[in-house]
Amino acid sequence: DGGITQSPKYLFRKEGQNVTLSCEQNLNHDAMYWYRQDPGQGLRLIYYSQIVNDFQKGDIAEGYSVSREKKESFPLTVTSAQKNPTAFYLCASSIGQKAGELFFGEGSRLTVL
Amino acid sequence: AQSVTQLDSHVSVSEGTPVLLRCNYSSSYSPSLFWYVQHPNKGLQLLLKYTSAATLVKGINGFEAEFKKSETSFHLTKPSAHMSDAAEYFCVVSRWNTGGFKTIFGAGTRLFVKA
Repeated sequence: DGGITQSPKYLFRKEGQNVTLSCEQNLNHDAMYWYRQDPGQGLRLIYYSQIVNDFQKGDIAEGYSVSREKKESFPLTVTSAQKNPTAFYLCASSIGQKAGELFFGEGSRLTVL
Repeated sequence: AQSVTQLDSHVSVSEGTPVLLRCNYSSSYSPSLFWYVQHPNKGLQLLLKYTSAATLVKGINGFEAEFKKSETSFHLTKPSAHMSDAAEYFCVVSRWNTGGFKTIFGAGTRLFVKA
């Protein structure tokens, strides 16, 4: 079945460590996105990519980095520069530029100890 | 500028009674509007979408929403709630902007369904 796979589902990290969240899709979608979700808030866009080898900052990119070396993959690195990294992270994809219609993965919950 | 406001952070209904989740939007141009549902610790799933066709949009699981331009609203309804409807619901507005679509999520409405 086609879909988006995020891993790991749960991740614990010590302060000062970088961590990378994986996102893989087999939907053949051009565009991919990373969102952060905090309790009581809507989703906030971290980074997005519309084509391979290209990506743009979203609304809260500071302390995060991404790469898009393959169409299927869009990993997110949460760096030690991110001041409040504990959150639920959601990866999504869309067909070309119809960004409003998004397909989501199951999410990764990061906890910084 | 565009924005989306979900008027209730929590809604509680009894099983078998109607559901109403309210959403108002602000957009300078004709937007696309969406409702997504999220169950605990899961990703979001598209319920329905409005893209300037019929103003009454039917979605999955018996949900529907009506686009009212004069009221700038896109409220989500269901005639009879089921226990499995308990989840968080997000209203989303999206429109074309330079460089691509701009998508804004509402803060979400948590729906509780009582037996």
